[in-house]
Amino acid sequence: EAQVTQNPRYLITVTGKKLTVTCSQNMNHEYMSWYRQDPGLGLRQIYYSMNVEVTDKGDVPEGYKVSRKEKRNFPLILESPSPNQTSLYFCASSLFQGGYEQYFGPGTRLTVT
Amino acid sequence: KQEVTQIPAALSVPEGENLVLNCSFTDSAIYNLQWFRQDPGKGLTSLLLIQSSQREQTSGRLNASLDKSSGRSTLYIAASQPGDSATYLCAVSDTGANSKLTFGKGITLSVRP
Repeated sequence: EAQVTQNPRYLITVTGKKLTVTCSQNMNHEYMSWYRQDPGLGLRQIYYSMNVEVTDKGDVPEGYKVSRKEKRNFPLILESPSPNQTSLYFCASSLFQGGYEQYFGPGTRLTVT
Repeated sequence: KQEVTQIPAALSVPEGENLVLNCSFTDSAIYNLQWFRQDPGKGLTSLLLIQSSQREQTSGRLNASLDKSSGRSTLYIAASQPGDSATYLCAVSDTGANSKLTFGKGITLSVRP
């Protein structure tokens, strides 16, 4: 089944404790990105990647890192999480950039205390 | 900067009613527009994708139209059912190097039995 998977689905952590949210797709997509969803603010892009080893900032990149060492994986790293990073995070992928349909993962609900 | 607006924020209708959800965007330079469905606390399910060169797309009881010149899209739901209750989000894909999706804040639909 073609899908985007994320792990973990739920995570409660404390301020400053490094964490990684994994994202994997099995559709051989070149384009991947991360969004966060917050009440009243909607979904906003954090980082995106057009191909292996090619990443760039989205609208709200502060406090996040990403890497793209393999085509299928695009982990989101929070090196020192803070409470304002409490949010619902979504990974997305599409065949290429440039207007292809984007597929979303199931989401990761992160709480930072 | 692209802005996507969905009004009203919430809508309640009786079962069986045909309804129209509206979406407007400020910059007509888009690759495509996608309509998504989101159930509470869940991920995003893609409903319909309309490329910028297209006028409409249909899937079952759903029909989405796009008027790029006026910056508007509508999602038509025929014969609504309680199972259609969810939040409906529209998103436009920018024509820049980043295929960022700019999302509206969504319309929360409640279909009463």
